[in-house]
Amino acid sequence: DVKVTQSSRYLVKRTGEKVFLECVQDMDHENMFWYRQDPGLGLRLIYFSYDVKMKEKGDIPEGYSVSREKKERFSLILESASTNQTSMYLCASSLSGGGNTEAFFGQGTRLTVV
Amino acid sequence: AQSVTQLDSQVPVFEEAPVELRCNYSSSVSVYLFWYVQYPNQGLQLLLKYLSGSTLVKGINGFEAEFNKSQTSFHLRKPSVHISDTAEYFCAVSDRTGGATNKLIFGTGTLLAVQP
Repeated sequence: DVKVTQSSRYLVKRTGEKVFLECVQDMDHENMFWYRQDPGLGLRLIYFSYDVKMKEKGDIPEGYSVSREKKERFSLILESASTNQTSMYLCASSLSGGGNTEAFFGQGTRLTVV
Repeated sequence: AQSVTQLDSQVPVFEEAPVELRCNYSSSVSVYLFWYVQYPNQGLQLLLKYLSGSTLVKGINGFEAEFNKSQTSFHLRKPSVHISDTAEYFCAVSDRTGGATNKLIFGTGTLLAVQP
């Protein structure tokens, strides 16, 4: 059974804290993604990675950074958490290709910044 | 830049009635199209996808979608819904420009609320 696992389902952090969201996939996928989901806005791409140590900005990268030191793991970092980063964060992975491969999603991390 | 429009934020429907969830995309290039479903407190899972070939695509749980290139639409349908179909449905597009990644661009989602 294919799996994308996010380390936490729920997180509560204080403003200004450095926050790490971890994602691990067991499918040997080349691509990994971080999305943010907000009511009425759908899913918005924060960052993606197509190979180890490779990353590209998505549509809303401000205030975030990422790390991919191993193929199976993709971390999202909030350098200094702010209340407007309270949201649901979804990690996904897929095989490389010309856009026709399915993305597999984790269960999501609901982050609250107080 | 590509975009996806889901005009209906919420669709209420009675159990066993038919339903159509609308999706339009804006792209001048050929695209791949997807529908994902998100049940409460879960991640997204793939319902169906259009890559090429027949414009009518069948997916899981009795859903199907029709690709209409002239209208740039990919509407999702089910002839008879169940209470268990209550979920949020997302349309997504990815272009055929190739390269190492397939960035999925999502719509804002449609909440399907099935009532008894």
